[in-house]
Formats: sequence, structure tokens, C-alpha cells
Amino acid sequence: GNSVTQMEGPVTLSEEAFLTINCTYTATGYPSLFWYVQYPGEGLQLLLKATKADDKGSNKGFEATYRKETTSFHLEKGSVQVSDSAVYFCALVAGGTSYGKLTFGQGTILTVHP
Amino acid sequence: EAGVAQSPRYKIIEKRQSVAFWCNPISGHATLYWYQQILGQGPKLLIQFQNNGVVDDSQLPKDRFSAERLKGVDSTLKIQPAKLEDSAVYLCASSFQGGTEAFFGQGTRLTVV
Repeated sequence: GNSVTQMEGPVTLSEEAFLTINCTYTATGYPSLFWYVQYPGEGLQLLLKATKADDKGSNKGFEATYRKETTSFHLEKGSVQVSDSAVYFCALVAGGTSYGKLTFGQGTILTVHP
Repeated sequence: EAGVAQSPRYKIIEKRQSVAFWCNPISGHATLYWYQQILGQGPKLLIQFQNNGVVDDSQLPKDRFSAERLKGVDSTLKIQPAKLEDSAVYLCASSFQGGTEAFFGQGTRLTVV
């Protein structure tokens, strides 16, 4: 079956530090890959997505590249802010399936200190 | 544009009681999903509706969980009877048919004591 594995958390960084959150996946066929973010007290929001190999998704300074050869979709940001503190979820949708039928990783808590 | 609405936000019940959650999707969204998010885990899909028909309920514990989407708009998820392990956040999401993004509500946090 499909599965997503994220790096162990929580992650604590100082403002302006570089962020990487690792994500690897197992899926049959050609899945689409997503990063969702959950800010405190809010619902899940789509942060970025990539639908085919070598695609790069980007939004709000965050980037992730769909690497089929390593089955990875690592999230990066060059300079984090306190406002980036949230829980980040990597997710996939199997090929040919509706985009809301998501398989999520366990989530990574990010805390950014001033 | 209004987002996905869920109620209640919080619910505490005793084990063996019943509980119901309500979801109102974004207007025009034909596809509706219910997810269960246990503390420390990612959300897990319970059921998917297309209009008022069930597309996938393979992960729904049907001995105690039920869901319906009358008239293809609002949806209700029910648990009867509740167990301690049902303590979780229940998320509703919706999307256009064939859409490329699912939109999530804020969820209902259920505590079973």
C-alpha cells in the first residue's frame, strides 16, 4: 500500500536558519506529492504540491522537488520566521485518484525562536 | 468565500455514548471527505463521498461509525458506541470534482473518557 515517512520531530530553529524536513514515500504508479501546514488553532492548508517527477513546488519561500529516483519530497526554506512555527505534513495521492484522497505522514512540529 | 465549516469544535463524551459531527463543505464542492487524526499521527481517510454517494469507505469501522451526506451537501459522521481509542480530531475536507486541491475544515476534537 501507499505510505509516507517524515523525519522525526520536533524541529527547533532560530529565526533566519535554514530548514529541511525530510519526506520519503512508497507508492505504486505515479503519485502526486503535497506538503500541508497546520498553524496553531487552524485547519490544514495546502502549502505546495508537485504532480510529476522533477517538478518543484514552491510557495511562501518554501520549496520541495519531486525526486522519483529517491522517492523523496523534502521541504526546504532558506530563512525561517517565527510565523512559520506550525505542524508540517507530507502527503501523497495515488495516480488517477482524486486530490482529496490523501495519505499523510505523521507530521513534523516546527518551532522557530526569535 | 466561506471555507469548510465543522461543528462542534470540541466534544467530550463518556465511552459507550454516541456522538455526531457535522460538516458543511464549500459551495459547489461535489467531493467530501472525513479524516480521523489521532494525536501525534497524520490524518487518516475514513470515507469519501461524491455528491451523495459513497466512493470509498474501506477504512471506516462500520460496526460503530456511520456517515451520510443527504442531498449531496452537508454531511454527518456518527460514532455509536464510542470507545476510548476514538479520541481524535475529526477533519472534514471538500473539493471540486476533478479538482487539484482539497480544502480542510478546522476539525472537531473528540475526547472519550
